[in-house]
Amino acid sequence: QQPVQSPQAVILREGEDAVINCSSSKALYSVHWYRQKHGEAPVFLMILLKGGEQKGHEKISASFNEKKQQSSLYLTASQLSYSGTYFCGTVSHSGGGADGLTFGKGTHLIIQP
Amino acid sequence: ETGVTQSPTHLIKTRGQQVTLRCSSQSGHNTVSWYQQALGQGPQFIFQYYREEENGRGNFPPRFSGLQFPNYSSELNVNALELDDSALYLCASSRRTDGRYEQYFGPGTRLTVT
Repeated sequence: QQPVQSPQAVILREGEDAVINCSSSKALYSVHWYRQKHGEAPVFLMILLKGGEQKGHEKISASFNEKKQQSSLYLTASQLSYSGTYFCGTVSHSGGGADGLTFGKGTHLIIQP
Repeated sequence: ETGVTQSPTHLIKTRGQQVTLRCSSQSGHNTVSWYQQALGQGPQFIFQYYREEENGRGNFPPRFSGLQFPNYSSELNVNALELDDSALYLCASSRRTDGRYEQYFGPGTRLTVT
């Protein structure tokens, strides 16, 4: 089952903050966040691991609530370049098989000047 | 730039034909995963290759098959193309199969089936 992302879309003014949520019905091992601009490939932003480790973008932060199987991506002081579609991809087991990512439907973020 | 390359960039095929897409992984990465992204949707996991063997598969029929070569590059083959196979095909390379490692995507191949 794919994770559920919210909101589906958000429009901000440059400099405003945004929070994008990702929720799963399964126990999560890791959560991966990507940004995709129209006509381009997804770009890796951040990975959050069960146990608290995080790796990724310096200017973007995220949280991972293992008990609730939820993750949130925080975009502060948004810039025009932040526009795009944000996807969370989840891994629900800790190995022993392929760790292909299961992606949500995405959150469309539009930053206006 | 991720260092992951894919070819061709665009492809137009007719229903029933076969297609081969190629992916070169980032230096130091030994795992390649393939995804299908339909318009307006998130990527869907097709399968993963590690050490030249299929390491796991998503919900895709056997007419989707692949290969991985000793240099860790990979191919995706799709037989008996259907109209619904029209999509952006993405490969992603990672250092390990484990979900603890980042997956970096290539630019994708846009496949149109007519």
